[in-house]
Amino acid sequence: EIVMTQTPLSLSVTPGQPASMSCKSSQSLLHSDGKTYLYWYLQKAGQPPQLLIYEVSNRFSGVPDRFSGSGSGTDFTLKISRVEAEDVGIYYCLQSVDLWTFGQGTKVELK
Amino acid sequence: QVLLQESGPGLAKPSETLSLTCTVSGGTVISSSYYWGWIRLPPGKGLEWIGSIYYGGSTYYKPSLKSRVTMSLDTSRNLFSLKLSSVTAADTAVYYCARLQVWSSGICDSWGQGTLVTVSS
Repeated sequence: EIVMTQTPLSLSVTPGQPASMSCKSSQSLLHSDGKTYLYWYLQKAGQPPQLLIYEVSNRFSGVPDRFSGSGSGTDFTLKISRVEAEDVGIYYCLQSVDLWTFGQGTKVELK
Repeated sequence: QVLLQESGPGLAKPSETLSLTCTVSGGTVISSSYYWGWIRLPPGKGLEWIGSIYYGGSTYYKPSLKSRVTMSLDTSRNLFSLKLSSVTAADTAVYYCARLQVWSSGICDSWGQGTLVTVSS
C-alpha cells in the first residue's frame, strides 16, 4: 500500500501571505500511461472535501489561480500565493496510481 | 447535476455489520465513466479511502479493511452500498460516498454530504 506523508501537519498563515505544503509518496505516482496520479483536496469544516488540483498541477474547474501544484515522482507541493480567509481548512493529498490513499492532512489556519 | 445522498443507521453496535447506501440522482451508476467510492473521516483524524466499485462489478478495497468490507451496486434503484462487518469503536466516523472519474481516478467530482456513524453499545 502506498503511504502518503504530508508536512507540515499544521500551518498558521497571515492573510495575504503565501503558504506551501508538501506531500511525499512511498513510491512513484507516475503511471505507465504517462500520467502522475496525485491530487489535492481541501476539506472545510462540516463539508465534504473539494478538489483543487488534479494530476499534480491542473486546477479543477472553478479553483482560483492562487492555488498551484507542482512536483514529480514522489515529491509534490501545493502553494497558495496569497491566503484568504476562505482557504482555511485541512488540505489532503491523494494518490490513485495504486488503489487510493490520502495523506494525513495539513491544517491551515489564519494568524 | 449529479447528487449523492448517504443513508443508513447512525448507530451500530460493536461486532455488528454497518450498512450504508448512497443514492445517486441526476445520473446513473451504470456508466463506464465512473467509479463509485466510500471515504470516511474518523473524529480527530484524516480522510481514509475505504473502497471503490465499478459498474461492471469490479471492487477495490483498502487492504487493511478488505476482510470486512463489501461494496455492491443496485442498478434497479440507482444506488451503491457499503457493508462493514465486525465494527469497533475505531469505525466511528463520518462516511462519505463519492463519484470518481475513470479517466483520472483521483478526481472525486461529486460527494454526498456525509453521514455520521457511531459504534457504541
